Amino acid sequence: DTAVSQTPKYLVTQMGNDKSIKCEQNLGHDTMYWYKQDSKKFLKIMFSYNNKELIINETVPNRFSPKSPDKAHLNLHINSLELGDSAVYFCASSQELREGGYTFGSGTRLTVV
Amino acid sequence: GDSVTQMEGPVTLSEEAFLTINCTYTATGYPSLFWYVQYPGEGLQLLLKATKADDKGSNKGFEATYRKETTSFHLEKGSVQVSDSAVYFCALSEPGNTPLVFGKGTRLSVIA
Repeated sequence: DTAVSQTPKYLVTQMGNDKSIKCEQNLGHDTMYWYKQDSKKFLKIMFSYNNKELIINETVPNRFSPKSPDKAHLNLHINSLELGDSAVYFCASSQELREGGYTFGSGTRLTVV
Repeated sequence: GDSVTQMEGPVTLSEEAFLTINCTYTATGYPSLFWYVQYPGEGLQLLLKATKADDKGSNKGFEATYRKETTSFHLEKGSVQVSDSAVYFCALSEPGNTPLVFGKGTRLSVIA
């Protein structure tokens, strides 16, 4: 199936740990994004990559580091996890943004305990 | 900067009621406009879009018309179903491939 797939779907971890979330798209899109959705459903952009190049890096703690090994993959690594990092993280991709918008992954629910 | 304002939720309706979720926007350029839907436990899905003034986007019985004069893109459906219960997001995209700007979302609950 053509899609944006994220793994894992659920992640429960202790404070201070380091974790990664993986994202892959097989749509041939050039641009990929990471968004954070809080408990009130508010969506905040974190990063955007175009053809493996970082183009947007919003005000995000430097404990968050994206990595794009190729244009089909955008992974998110988080160091020293904190309670406030608990949220749902969405990966998305786009091509002609104004025509097609985003295609979202199904999300990774991160719970830090 | 650009912004999208949606009506506060939650919105609770009985099955077969008429739905309107208001969305207004502020943009420096001439944006494309989108509605996304998020069902419980899932990612956001594109519901409909409009790329220029007076365009009407439609899908699954939902409609929204791009009104440049009122900077609005209100979502409507004539008869909602329980399966329409979800969170709805209005969004815009400015020229230049800048990321989508989302509203805060409106939760809709439809009761039988």
